[in-house]
Amino acid sequence: AQKITQTQPGMFVQEKEAVTLDCTYDTSDPSYGLFWYKQPSSGEMIFLIYQGSYDQQNATEGRYSLNFQKARKSANLVISASQLGDSAMYFCAMNVNTGNQFYFGTGTSLTVIP
Amino acid sequence: SQTIHQWPATLVQPVGSPLSLECTVEGTSNPNLYWYRQAAGRGLQLLFYSVGIGQISSEVPQNLSASRPQDRQFILSSKKLLLSDSGFYLCAWSRPKSSGNTIYFGEGSWLTVV
Repeated sequence: AQKITQTQPGMFVQEKEAVTLDCTYDTSDPSYGLFWYKQPSSGEMIFLIYQGSYDQQNATEGRYSLNFQKARKSANLVISASQLGDSAMYFCAMNVNTGNQFYFGTGTSLTVIP
Repeated sequence: SQTIHQWPATLVQPVGSPLSLECTVEGTSNPNLYWYRQAAGRGLQLLFYSVGIGQISSEVPQNLSASRPQDRQFILSSKKLLLSDSGFYLCAWSRPKSSGNTIYFGEGSWLTVV
């Protein structure tokens, strides 16, 4: 069975600082994808970044980077130079090559402090 | 480019009334389609997913149902709403089975059952 775990219900970060949001996953499928989404208070789910299980390098998208540690089964999101607009819920997700479903963590609420 | 749209954006319904939420996807064919529910401050719960017309997989037994009358149309329904049906409903799509296919969400529908 597939599982995604986010152990940080809430995080605070000072504006302009970097923050790491934790995500661990569990799957026996060797081919899988890992995703991060941002959900502001408006409710929309915004895709941020993707990492494939066979990717050799960590994914980066602007201020977002994914710290992928395959042996530890972790896929932490790093946000550099935090901005007030980064305040939102963040969800980690996974899908596997053998299935159609996406599995989501319970989310981390990030608050950026001016 | 692909777009996904769901409606209505908000609705307030009395207990026992019917429900119909609609979702359409444009710019792609044979997408996987999903309905998720998110209770206040909680993570995403997969309700239904569909890999093709008339093919519906239910993840949570309840008084909700889903239908896919056309390739890019997904409908969430209920004959009689319960108070516990209140929440934020998200429609989503992805390309057919393969890891690395990102899931994209609609704008969401806020349902309050009174």
